[in-house]
Amino acid sequence: NAGVTQTPKFRILKIGQSMTLQCTQDMNHNYMYWYRQDPGMGLKLIYYSVGAGITDKGEVPNGYNVSRSTTEDFPLRLELAAPSQTSVYFCASSPPSGRGDTQYFGPGTRLTVL
Amino acid sequence: AQRVTQPEKLLSVFKGAPVELKCNYSYSGSPELFWYVQYSRQRLQLLLRHISRESIKGFTADLNKGETSFHLKKPFAQEEDSAMYYCALRAGGTSYGKLTFGQGTILTVHP
Repeated sequence: NAGVTQTPKFRILKIGQSMTLQCTQDMNHNYMYWYRQDPGMGLKLIYYSVGAGITDKGEVPNGYNVSRSTTEDFPLRLELAAPSQTSVYFCASSPPSGRGDTQYFGPGTRLTVL
Repeated sequence: AQRVTQPEKLLSVFKGAPVELKCNYSYSGSPELFWYVQYSRQRLQLLLRHISRESIKGFTADLNKGETSFHLKKPFAQEEDSAMYYCALRAGGTSYGKLTFGQGTILTVHP
């Protein structure tokens, strides 16, 4: 199993550009999540999904969109990139949350908006 | 809403010394608490969870509901313990597995 994979690893965007961060998992997990990691701020939840076709906002959704057409894929879309979106983005997945179920993380995408 | 606080951004100890990474939480219900670790150039991964009451790599953590704390402890730190550590909380009920993370603590173990 590859687990959770993310592409690209690094990206530099200009203000106003758009891009999609890709996330795929091969563990047949129902739940998937997108976080951003800012220095000294921990991880903040952007969006999450409990299954194909079902998504919902997390703590910091503004400026982002998601879709979930399959169990495996959960792309994150930035429509008009802003410097405030410079961050490291992590995708994660987990099985339906029985007690103790953990989240499995991807390697991250480092995004810089100039 | 729940909150997780890790008061130390940076923690430095020498090899062989005891180490304690602090984690406090606020949540009105019955939470699940986790410690995640991110070693250099590796992805974030689970270290331990409170319901398992386990010791992983010599680390332990006890949930203290009275003090709303879940501190991570190790009696003798090793250089390979140097990493970023996150405390995380999962709310009870229909939380869809969502985690609330603390700000993280960077642990450095000096030789």
